[in-house]
Amino acid sequence: NAGVTQTPKFQVLKTGQSMTLQCAQDMNHEYMSWYRQDPGMGLRLIHYSVGAGITDQGEVPNGYNVSRSTTEDFPLRLLSAAPSQTSVYFCASSPSLTLAADTQYFGPGTRLTVL
Amino acid sequence: AQRVTQPEKLLSVFKGAPVELKCNYSYSGSPELFWYVQYSRQRLQLLLRHISRESIKGFTADLNKGETSFHLKKPFAQEEDSAMYYCALRNTGGFKTIFGAGTRLFVKA
Repeated sequence: NAGVTQTPKFQVLKTGQSMTLQCAQDMNHEYMSWYRQDPGMGLRLIHYSVGAGITDQGEVPNGYNVSRSTTEDFPLRLLSAAPSQTSVYFCASSPSLTLAADTQYFGPGTRLTVL
Repeated sequence: AQRVTQPEKLLSVFKGAPVELKCNYSYSGSPELFWYVQYSRQRLQLLLRHISRESIKGFTADLNKGETSFHLKKPFAQEEDSAMYYCALRNTGGFKTIFGAGTRLFVKA
């Protein structure tokens, strides 16, 4: 099992550009989520999904879109990048809906810089 | 509002010394609390959860509802414990996890 994979590892964007951060898991997990990690602020939940076709907003959803067309994939889209979105982005998955935040498995992260 | 506070950004101790990483939370219901750890060049991973009352790598954490705290403790720190530690709270029955800002633990030889 590859676990949770994220691509790319690094990305530099210009203000106003759009892009998609990819996340995939091969563990057949129902729950998936996206976080951003900023110095002094820990991890903040952007969006999450409890299954294919079902997504919901987290703490900081503005400027980001998600979709969940398959169990395996949970891409995060930045519609119009802003410098405030410079961060490290983590994707995570969890096997059980009833233990959704219990034993989350994290990806390696994507470091995004917006100029 | 739900909030997790880790008052120390950096904690430095000598090898063999006791260590306590503080975590305080605010939550109106009955929360589920966790400690996650991120070692250098590794992924964030679950260390322990209050519901399991377990000891992992010598670490324990007790939920104190009166003081709304969930401090992480280890009696004798090891160099390999050096890492970033995050306290996290999940609303019971919900799907959202709130993380603290994290404490970097540095264990000196």
